[in-house]
Amino acid sequence: DGGITQSPKYLFRKEGQNVTLSCEQNLNHDAMYWYRQDPGQGLRLIYYSQIVNDFQKGDIAEGYSVSREKKESFPLTVTSAQKNPTAFYLCASNRASTDTQYFGPGTRLTVL
Amino acid sequence: GNSVTQMEGPVTLSEEAFLTINCTYTATGYPSLFWYVQYPGEGLQLLLKATKADDKGSNKGFEATYRKETTSFHLEKGSVQVSDSAVYFCALSDRGSGGSNYKLTFGKGTLLTVNP
Repeated sequence: DGGITQSPKYLFRKEGQNVTLSCEQNLNHDAMYWYRQDPGQGLRLIYYSQIVNDFQKGDIAEGYSVSREKKESFPLTVTSAQKNPTAFYLCASNRASTDTQYFGPGTRLTVL
Repeated sequence: GNSVTQMEGPVTLSEEAFLTINCTYTATGYPSLFWYVQYPGEGLQLLLKATKADDKGSNKGFEATYRKETTSFHLEKGSVQVSDSAVYFCALSDRGSGGSNYKLTFGKGTLLTVNP
C-alpha cells in the first residue's frame, strides 16, 4: 500500500537531548512538509522541501532542523534549542501537479 | 497574509442531527479550500476540497461550497453519525515561490462529538 509512515508513534525525550523523527513516503511525491500541532492551535508549518537537497523554513523553524537526501525521506530533528518541544508532529506530502497534501499518522513527542 | 477562521467548538450533537461548521478565510489570489478530519490519536485525512469559486466539494455525506463573495467554505452534513465524532480543520492552500510546494494555512479546528 502506498502512503506516508512516521516513526516512532510515541517518543520521550529528556531535556537537553536532540531527537529525530522519521517520515517516509512511497507515493513518489515531490514536496514534503513538517507540521506541529498543539491543543487548540491548529497546525503550524515547521519546514518544507520541494526537491531533494533543498528545503525552506516555515513559520516556526527555530529549534528544528531537517534534511532531504532522498526523495522519499524527510527526517526532522528536534534540537535542545527548541524551548517547548512537547507536541504532536505531522508529516505531509504532495505531488508537484496538485495542492492536495496527504498526511502521515503523526509522532507524539513528550519531553520529560 | 492568509488566515482561516473557523467556528470554535466543541460542538455536541445527537445522532441524525444537521451539522454546520463555519469557516471563513482571508487570502490573496485564488486559493484552493479544504476540509480535513482528524480522529483521536491519528493524522489528518482529506475530507473534501474545492479549487474555484462556486465549486462544491463532497464526500461521505459532507458538503462545502466555495463562496468567493462571502469568503466562506462552511462544512455541512444532513445527518451525523456517532462515527463522525472527530476534529475538523478548514484550510487553504497558497502556492509558494513556484515549484511543487503549496503552503497550507489551517484554522484551529472544531471538535465534534455526536451522541447516540
